[in-house]
Order: sequence, then C-alpha cells, then structure tokens
Amino acid sequence: DARVTQTPRHKVTEMGQEVTMRCQPILGHNTVFWYRQTMMQGLELLAYFRNRAPLDDSGMPKDRFSAEMPDATLATLKIQPSEPRDSAVYFCASGLAGLGNNEQFFGPGTRLTVL
Amino acid sequence: QKEVEQNSGPLSVPEGAIASLNCTYSDRVSQSFFWYRQYSGKSPELIMSIYSNGDKEDGRFTAQLNKASQYVSLLIRDSQPSDSATYLCAVAPGWFDYKLSFGAGTTVTVRA
Repeated sequence: DARVTQTPRHKVTEMGQEVTMRCQPILGHNTVFWYRQTMMQGLELLAYFRNRAPLDDSGMPKDRFSAEMPDATLATLKIQPSEPRDSAVYFCASGLAGLGNNEQFFGPGTRLTVL
Repeated sequence: QKEVEQNSGPLSVPEGAIASLNCTYSDRVSQSFFWYRQYSGKSPELIMSIYSNGDKEDGRFTAQLNKASQYVSLLIRDSQPSDSATYLCAVAPGWFDYKLSFGAGTTVTVRA
C-alpha cells in the first residue's frame, strides 16, 4: 500500500515550544514537499527536496522553521519556537520526478495547534 | 493578481447533473496542470493531471486545457453526493519545476 505517512496526526503545544513533524514519502519517490494549509492562506508550499537535497525553502520563515531529509525515507519539519500563528495543517507530499511527470501525492497531514 | 484563480463557489448541483469547475493561471509558460479533491478534514487527493491542450477523460471526470487562454477546467458528469468536496486546481511552471501553485479551491455540494 503506497502512501505517504505523517506523524503525529495531531499536535497541541504551547507557544515557545519546539515542534517536530515527520514524513515518510512513498518508497522510491525522489521529491518531497512540505505544505501548510490555513483557511486564510489556502495551501502554501514551504519547502521541497529532490534526492534529499533542499531545492527551495523560500516559502518558509527561516528564523523559526527548518526542514531536513536525514535519509530517503524520512523528512522532518521543525518549528522552534512555535507561535500561535503557526497553527495550521501541515502536509507532506512526495513524487517521482521525471520527464513529463510531476504528480504529487499527499500524506494525511499534521494538525498543529499552538496555544 | 493570484497565480491560480478558481471560480469562487460554492457550487451546488443536483445529483446526476454536470458540475463545471474553472481555473485560470497567470504564468504563460506553465506546463503541468492538476486537479485535486479534498474532503473536509482530509488531505488533497490527486484526481486528474493534464499536460496537453484538449480534453482528458477519466471515468466521470473530464479535464480540459487551453494554454492559449490560460484556462483549465474540470467537468464532473453524473454528479454523486460522494463528489461533494473542495476541488483544488494546481499548476506547475515547467516540465522540471516541481513547485505547485494552488488555487483557493471551489467547494462543490451535490444535492440528493
């Protein structure tokens, strides 16, 4: 069953705490994306990786957010310190980059609430 | 101007009717176009991808692309209550650019 998995599915934390979200891309996929979805802003791209290398993180607040891929089966998104405005659903997506194929498949998301 | 714009909705259609969703994009060099379906509280699910001008059909779904007009649409034939969801249009600039820009979505409600 090829699916993107994310943990945790829900996270409630207090302002100032560190939050780490994890993603396991579909086996064999070589691109990984982090998105944030809010009612006001919709779906926004935060960062993406190809073959574990960060290609673009221009959508990410650099002072508090960081994204990494320690290995091909794990991507992480960290927020430190967290703020109430970070409350959102964070999605990871993966794809298999190739000529004419840039489809992306989303994981179930992490719903983050920062109090 | 937003990069990707969708008809604002919500769109309410009777069961069995055709639902028509529209999307326009601003980047003329865009090459890849996608429609995602998102049920409330769930993640976006890819339902159609289209890369060439014309129509692409998959079951009850038909995507239409017109690059000259910078327009992509999705038709849902024989709409079912299970089609009630928000539909997101997404656009990627080029063959090797994997960044997707999403529209705000159109919420569709199919009345039984």
